[in-house]
Amino acid sequence: SQQGEEDPQALSIQEGENATMNCSYKTSINNLQWYRQNSGRGLVHLILIRSNEREKHSGRLRVTLDTSKKSSSLLITASRAADTASYFCATDNSGYSTLTFGKGTMLLVSP
Amino acid sequence: DVKVTQSSRYLVKRTGEKVFLECVQDMDHENMFWYRQDPGLGLRLIYFSYDVKMKEKGDIPEGYSVSREKKERFSLILESASTNQTSMYLCASRQGAGNTIYFGEGSWLTVV
Repeated sequence: SQQGEEDPQALSIQEGENATMNCSYKTSINNLQWYRQNSGRGLVHLILIRSNEREKHSGRLRVTLDTSKKSSSLLITASRAADTASYFCATDNSGYSTLTFGKGTMLLVSP
Repeated sequence: DVKVTQSSRYLVKRTGEKVFLECVQDMDHENMFWYRQDPGLGLRLIYFSYDVKMKEKGDIPEGYSVSREKKERFSLILESASTNQTSMYLCASRQGAGNTIYFGEGSWLTVV
């Protein structure tokens, strides 16, 4: 089944730095979504970008989508220790679709 | 606020036991999902339901069944629990295709 693949698997940065995570997928999509998961908790929705959109912002988050390359990126600006979490991309295609998740990027932001 | 509630946060069951994981959503959502999450494997879809009494197999349905008798409730059933079903189980719901999925807090199941 189609799956988003995040890159890198793990990322370690200092507070104040920017964090960039990438996601690649294989087939056409209706939208792509990014989620965050704190350790041992459920996933929380961050942002949804539709296939006809190229960029979207939400607070310190910036998401881009390149459908020609079948890729997306999530940028977190001015990272904080509280941003430490796993981040997942999920692709959504048509019909009785479900979201198909990648394996996630584990982000560690050190104070 | 959107709410997906999983009834049990932590469970320990014995091999061969029948296990019920319950999930309730308060948003009148049409679609509900059960995923399991394992280290290195990400989230894998077990079953989903796009309406009451409707269900579809996901990627890993073997050893599981589901029930959706009411719109707000989606149950995952392990008919005979096995140790390889030790995992974190995540329930989710959404209004329909193309919309945001909302997750519960997860249920940690250990089968001994």
